[in-house]
Amino acid sequence: DGGITQSPKYLFRKEGQNVTLSCEQNLNHDAMYWYRQDPGQGLRLIYYSQIVNDFQKGDIAEGYSVSREKKESFPLTVTSAQKNPTAFYLCASSIGQGSYNEQFFGPGTRLTVL
Amino acid sequence: GQQVMQIPQYQHVQEGEDFTTYCNSSTTLSNIQWYKQRPGGHPVFLIQLVKSGEVKKQKRLTFQFGEAKKNSSLHITATQTTDVGTYFCAGQAILNSGYSTLTFGKGTMLLVSP
Repeated sequence: DGGITQSPKYLFRKEGQNVTLSCEQNLNHDAMYWYRQDPGQGLRLIYYSQIVNDFQKGDIAEGYSVSREKKESFPLTVTSAQKNPTAFYLCASSIGQGSYNEQFFGPGTRLTVL
Repeated sequence: GQQVMQIPQYQHVQEGEDFTTYCNSSTTLSNIQWYKQRPGGHPVFLIQLVKSGEVKKQKRLTFQFGEAKKNSSLHITATQTTDVGTYFCAGQAILNSGYSTLTFGKGTMLLVSP
């Protein structure tokens, strides 16, 4: 059963701690994305990767870091430099970064920083 | 940078009434995609429009892409309670270097009362 998994579904951290969100896909997709969703703000792109060992900053990359060491995995680290980390984080993938490729989303991780 | 505006932000209808959400881009798009996110869920791809003036239908849903490829709409005829959710448009622009990432609108939240 192909798809995207994100874990955990809910995550709580203390302020000042780094936290890594997991994203795994078995769709054999080349491109992967991380979005942040805040109430009434839609989806904002944090980072994306078109191919293994390569990634680019999105619109709101400050305070975040990623890696793409394997095709199926694209973890996101929320660092202590991110000023407002509490949000719903969505990972997505597509066949490629080119045109006309729909994105498949994971179930999301809701991060709360106390 | 590219901006995608979506209106209305929120709409509450009675079951059986029609619903329309509108999407406008600040730049000409190569294509536009529509996604639906149920409450507590993740965005799910609905459709993609590519051609100028294109109209596509999925049962009670009608999607249009403007002649100038800068605006789009989603119309739902005779809403049902299963239509509840947030509808996002996402536009992709053509760049000199290829294609841009998707830029999502902020979404229209639809509530349907029985």
